Amino acid sequence: EAQVTQNPRYLITVTGKKLTVTCSQNMNHEYMSWYRQDPGLGLRQIYYSMNVEVTDKGDVPEGYKVSRKEKRNFPLILESPSPNQTSLYFCASSRWTGNDPQHFGDGTRLSIL
Amino acid sequence: TQLLEQSPQFLSIQEGENLTVYCNSSSVFSSLQWYRQEPGEGPVLLVTVVTGGEVKKLKRLTFQFGDARKDSSLHITAAQPGDTGLYLCAGCGAGSYQLTFGKGTKLSVIP
Repeated sequence: EAQVTQNPRYLITVTGKKLTVTCSQNMNHEYMSWYRQDPGLGLRQIYYSMNVEVTDKGDVPEGYKVSRKEKRNFPLILESPSPNQTSLYFCASSRWTGNDPQHFGDGTRLSIL
Repeated sequence: TQLLEQSPQFLSIQEGENLTVYCNSSSVFSSLQWYRQEPGEGPVLLVTVVTGGEVKKLKRLTFQFGDARKDSSLHITAAQPGDTGLYLCAGCGAGSYQLTFGKGTKLSVIP
């Protein structure tokens, strides 16, 4: 089954404790991206990647890191999480670019205390 | 960053009524996508419109892309409770790979 898998689905942690949210897709897609969704602010793109080893900033990259060492994986790293990063996070992938239909994961709800 | 403004932000209607959701920008978009998101799930693509003036139909849903490719609309005929959800438009500006989403329209269809 074609899918985008995020882990964990839920995480409660404390300020400053490094964490990684994993994202994996099995559709051989080139384009992958991370979003955060907040009430009243909608979905905002954090980072996107056009291909292996190619990443670029979205609208809200501050406080986040990503890497794309393999085509199928695109982890989101919070080196020193802060409470303002409490949010619902989605990973997505598409065939080539942002213009192509996006396939979303089920989301990761992060709470930073 | 290109901005996409959606209106209305909230919409509550009775089953059987018609409604239209708008997605507007001052920028030109290569294409616009419409998604529907249900609570606890990721957005799911409904349709992509590519050509200015294009109209696409998906059962009771009609999508239109403006002639200048700066705006789009979603019209639902005879809404049903199963149409309840968050409707999102999204697009990449001309020459950009960054995908921008509107803030969404939260639709509630009351039986």
